Amino acid sequence: SQTIHQWPATLVQPVGSPLSLECTVEGTSNPNLYWYRQAAGRGLQLLFYSVGIGQISSEVPQNLSASRPQDRQFILSSKKLLLSDSGFYLCAWIRVGDTQYFGPGTRLTVL
Amino acid sequence: LAKTTQPISMDSYEGQEVNITCSHNNIATNDYITWYQQFPSQGPRFIIQGYKTKVTNEVASLFIPADRKSSTLSLPRVSLSDTAVYYCLVGDMYPTFSGGYQKVTFGIGTKLQVIP
Repeated sequence: SQTIHQWPATLVQPVGSPLSLECTVEGTSNPNLYWYRQAAGRGLQLLFYSVGIGQISSEVPQNLSASRPQDRQFILSSKKLLLSDSGFYLCAWIRVGDTQYFGPGTRLTVL
Repeated sequence: LAKTTQPISMDSYEGQEVNITCSHNNIATNDYITWYQQFPSQGPRFIIQGYKTKVTNEVASLFIPADRKSSTLSLPRVSLSDTAVYYCLVGDMYPTFSGGYQKVTFGIGTKLQVIP
């Protein structure tokens, strides 16, 4: 069966510090991968999606970036965090003709 | 992308049937309708998906009228553990461009509160 991992589960970072969140998928190949952010009491905002290694598309301009160094690995990064980057970050994967499967999420608090 | 509209919140007593309706007036021919459930501090979880008419699984039923401009998620005999946010999504399950990328948009969902 397919499994999606995210780490860390929670993170508290000061403003201006770097960020690296990792997402890995098991049990599938060539998944489409997604990064979402959910602010408190809000819906899910699509940040990035990737259809393959090295292929990243950004949905919204921001100080975040994403990379896909391996088929089943998706990384969300920032060089300098802002207060507004706080939120719940979710990684998801999908295959064509199937639904999206979400990871457990990372709770990021920027102080 | 087809935009969806659903109630922001709903309350229901335990044991009752809950129906949550979602409007998607601009749904495209290739779009499927998918419902997710999300508990606090967890990722959304797939509940049910359909294209037309009625779909039923062990968790819920999904009713889709002929014009497909709306859909209704039906949860039979809800319990306290069904308290969650429910999202209605519309998207192309078999995109023929962008390498098979499927793009769906999550709204704010419907917050269901089940009352004892």
